[in-house]
Amino acid sequence: ILNVEQSPQSLHVQEGDSTNFTCSFPSSNFYALHWYRWETAKSPEALFVMTLNGDEKKKGRISATLNTKEGYSYLYIKGSQPEDSATYLCAFPNFGNEKLTFGTGTRLTIIP
Amino acid sequence: GAVVSQHPSRVICKSGTSVKIECRSLDFQATTMFWYRQFPKQSLMLMATSNEGSKATYEQGVEKDKFLINHASLTLSTLTVTSAHPEDSSFYICSATTAGGGLLGNEQFFGPGTRLTVL
Repeated sequence: ILNVEQSPQSLHVQEGDSTNFTCSFPSSNFYALHWYRWETAKSPEALFVMTLNGDEKKKGRISATLNTKEGYSYLYIKGSQPEDSATYLCAFPNFGNEKLTFGTGTRLTIIP
Repeated sequence: GAVVSQHPSRVICKSGTSVKIECRSLDFQATTMFWYRQFPKQSLMLMATSNEGSKATYEQGVEKDKFLINHASLTLSTLTVTSAHPEDSSFYICSATTAGGGLLGNEQFFGPGTRLTVL
């Protein structure tokens, strides 16, 4: 059983502030890490698929970094906006197949 | 692109009845579909993986006869909760991938989920 952990479980951030949260995963047999954003009453949508140690990906005000040697990834949101309120999930592909093991998510609430 | 629909979005049924949930890929062919269940304050737990035209592969602890999965075409998979009981009440969500996950683990495209309440 893969252990994928996210912290914190929930987070309240003032609009305009920047924030970040963590996903930790097994560092052995690594080949990818996925980040998803899940807004209430909508489908989870993929933000990033990260594969290389030291990789940094960016999508607007959201960016993610990856450290495969120590087994963690950070997701950063710069200048939080109310529309950033969502649960952010990371997922770790199981070796040799398409199955993903999800973390419990970080529930982000932006306070106007 | 890559839209997945799920129907119904919410269902309430009596104990002992069966409920069918449909998952459709609207604008792509999904070689593989996944069914997840989410308990309150917990992560998405994979129930089974289904490939078109073949039997679903169930995760350990998931009853095959309880949760029947059919993947009849490249755009449709169904999950039937048979003889539902209150403990089956949960949020069920499907996802789909296109061909060949390879070593990267294909991005999964999710439906919006189905809230099942069994009385």
